[in-house]
Amino acid sequence: GDSVTQMEGPVTLSEEAFLTINCTYTATGYPSLFWYVQYPGEGLQLLLKATKADDKGSNKGFEATYRKETTSFHLEKGSVQVSDSAVYFCSVGNFNKFYFGSGTKLNVKP
Amino acid sequence: NAGVTQTPKFQVLKTGQSMTLQCAQDMNHEYMSWYRQDPGMGLRLIHYSVGAGITDQGEVPNGYNVSRSTTEDFPLRLLSAAPSQTSVYFCASSYTGGIWSYEQYFGPGTRLTVT
Repeated sequence: GDSVTQMEGPVTLSEEAFLTINCTYTATGYPSLFWYVQYPGEGLQLLLKATKADDKGSNKGFEATYRKETTSFHLEKGSVQVSDSAVYFCSVGNFNKFYFGSGTKLNVKP
Repeated sequence: NAGVTQTPKFQVLKTGQSMTLQCAQDMNHEYMSWYRQDPGMGLRLIHYSVGAGITDQGEVPNGYNVSRSTTEDFPLRLLSAAPSQTSVYFCASSYTGGIWSYEQYFGPGTRLTVT
């Protein structure tokens, strides 16, 4: 079946550092790819998405590119802020079923 | 526009008790789903629905029941609670597009403890 693997955390960075969170997936057909962010005590919120190969999703300085050849959707941000501290989930959606990675906790220190 | 709402926010049950977690959305989304979130395991799909009267199982359906009589509501029933069902439960909704999957909108979650 479909699945998502993302790098384990926690990831601790200093403010203004570069962020990469790796995500790879297995899926058949035409999956859509998503990154969600979860702040403490809240539900998940969509951060960005991509629906076909080579699409780049972007939002709030975060970016991820749908790489079909490597089945990857790595999340990047050039300069993180303390307010980016949260848990990030990679997700694949395929034929009305969605699969999530285990989440990566990001801690950004001032 | 309230989005996706869930009640209750917190619940404690004894083993063997039954209860219903409520979920409602006001965005006219066809697709609704239930997940459980456990530490280190991400979100796992319990059940989902692509429209009123249509439901299907996800990865971890055992011990849970759903029905969808209206577009807005998608309740999750725990038939006989077990400690293994201690978790945080999220309801989500989205549009459906055949082979295309759209982003989901999540509720705030229900934290359930079974003793």
